[in-house]
Amino acid sequence: DIQMTQSPSSVSASVGDRVTITCRASQGISSWLAWYQQKPGKAPKLLIYAASSLESGVPSRFSGSGSGTDFTLTVSSLQPEDFATYYCLQANSFPYTFGQGTKLEIK
Amino acid sequence: EVQLVESGGGLVKPGGSLRISCAASGFSFSSYTMNWVRQAPGKGLEWVSCISSGSTYMYYADSVKGRFTISRDNARKSLYLQMNSLRADDTAVYYCARSVVPGTVAENWLDPWGQGTLVTVSS
Repeated sequence: DIQMTQSPSSVSASVGDRVTITCRASQGISSWLAWYQQKPGKAPKLLIYAASSLESGVPSRFSGSGSGTDFTLTVSSLQPEDFATYYCLQANSFPYTFGQGTKLEIK
Repeated sequence: EVQLVESGGGLVKPGGSLRISCAASGFSFSSYTMNWVRQAPGKGLEWVSCISSGSTYMYYADSVKGRFTISRDNARKSLYLQMNSLRADDTAVYYCARSVVPGTVAENWLDPWGQGTLVTVSS
């Protein structure tokens, strides 16, 4: 199985800050990586797919990059509604696996 | 509007069984691979299983293999998860999620998701 190591597990930041979250795959997954945002009590929401493609309707302050084993999600200027938990998902092969999650908190 | 609505969750004793369902609407259900993903209380997301559009292919996480069975009824636009030999660590919110690209199984994103149904395994 492919293991996804996500870091950091939590980060404190202020409105307007730039934040980067990383995911590392235990083996190459090409660009078969997605990023999700989850707020308490809600289902996850797709933000980025194919490592760097922005899902329709997602603000352009979100961006993704990487291929192979190393990937990043960047939020260029945090807004109040961005404080949530973020997960990466590898969809290269079954079983699909998620990163452990990064909780983005207000400083 | 694409909608997924899970149901059937509840309290079950260890070793017991439960079947949860997901009702789909707003899209051509029979064209898409469907998935189950779970989230234990306060924990992260865990992909559980998926089934191809015509039920030819089914995949499972190692943690549920041999105990859970995924199925679907395209005429009823419904997805199911039969869970047997339940354990305390199966306690979670179970989400159904559609794969994004019709007609493919792997290499496919999950979106949208339902609101989830809570399964609690406890004596």
